[in-house]
This record gives sequence, structure tokens and C-alpha cells, in this order.
Amino acid sequence: DAEITQSPRHKITETGRQVTLACHQTWNHNNMFWYRQDLGHGLRLIHYSYGVQDTNKGEVSDGYSVSRSNTEDLPLTLESAASSQTSVYFCASSEQGTGADTQYFGPGTRLTVL
Amino acid sequence: SQQGEEDPQALSIQEGENATMNCSYKTSINNLQWYRQNSGRGLVHLILIRSNEREKHSGRLRVTLDTSKKSSSLLITASRAADTASYFCATVQSGYSTLTFGKGTMLLVSP
Repeated sequence: DAEITQSPRHKITETGRQVTLACHQTWNHNNMFWYRQDLGHGLRLIHYSYGVQDTNKGEVSDGYSVSRSNTEDLPLTLESAASSQTSVYFCASSEQGTGADTQYFGPGTRLTVL
Repeated sequence: SQQGEEDPQALSIQEGENATMNCSYKTSINNLQWYRQNSGRGLVHLILIRSNEREKHSGRLRVTLDTSKKSSSLLITASRAADTASYFCATVQSGYSTLTFGKGTMLLVSP
């Protein structure tokens, strides 16, 4: 069955370190998204991509970057981790030409920045 | 910024009762979606309603949309303990192509 996976599921890192969170989907979806979820804020969009070589900034993109070199993967990089980036990160994908349709979510990565 | 706001923030009911959650939003939308999140898991899509639709059903779920009031409601009938989860509304604003999520309603269904 098609799925979307994230790794690692849990990560503890130190302030200032570079961290990369992986997202891999086997749906063959063009669209992929990264969100962060924090208490009191719900889910907020970090970056998204509508296809290979396409990336776009979301609502809370500062301190994060993504690259899309193939259809299946959209890794999220924290260039220099900060305590404010402690959060649960979700990757999602969707099929249609825009992000306006059903999104399929991964299980999440819990990141702690000490 | 948050486009959708769910109400109530938390809801506690008994099995067999109906659960109603509301979502209000601020600007014109293309569609509105409801998602469920079980504790420690990713979100799961429940239902999508487009701006020209007023009501949709899926199993025990009923969603209504009132664009004049910029609001939507999700009704879960004959609730079960397995319905215990957080429920989020998400909107696609007119002219945009990404989802904006609300903060969610936590539903607890007791046996």
C-alpha cells in the first residue's frame, strides 16, 4: 500500500546544530508539505512543493529550508536549530494540481532542541 | 495566521451521544476540510466540502457549510469511544492553494 513515512520519529539535538528531517511518500503525489504543530497554535505551514525543483515558503519558514530533487522525498532542514523549533513536525502530500485537495499525513517527528 | 477557529476547544460526551463541533473562518474560501488526529498520530482526512455545497455526509459524519456566516459544523452521530481524538477544520482561501488549519477541538467519548 502507498504510504508516507517520516524519520526519525524522535530527535533530540542541541542549539546551533543542523538537523534534517526526512519525508518519503510512495503515493507518487506531486504536492508535498511540511507543518509544525505546537500547543495553542494548531498546525502551521513551513514549506511546500508542487513538484521536482519547486519549493515555496509557508507561514513560518524562517530558519527552515527544503529541496525537492525527486517526486518521493522532501527533506526539511533546520539550518541552526533553536529552542523555539522544539515541536512536532508533520509531512503531508496531495495528488491534485494544487494543495487544495485531500492531504495525506505522515506519523510525525518529535524534535527537541536543548 | 489562523483562518479557522474551532469551537468548543474541548468536548466530553458519553458513547451513543452526538457530538457537534463548529468552525468559523474569516475570508472567502474554495473549500473546507475536516481532519481527525488520534493522540500521537498524524492527521487523517475525514471530509471535504466545497464553497458551493451546503451539506455533505460520510457514514456517521455530517458536515454543513454556511458561507454567509463563514462557518461550518461537523456532526458525529452515535459516537463511539474510538471517536476520541482531536478534530481540525482546514480552509483553502479563495485565490490560494494551501490549507490553513484551526487549533482543533479535543473530543473525549466515554464508554
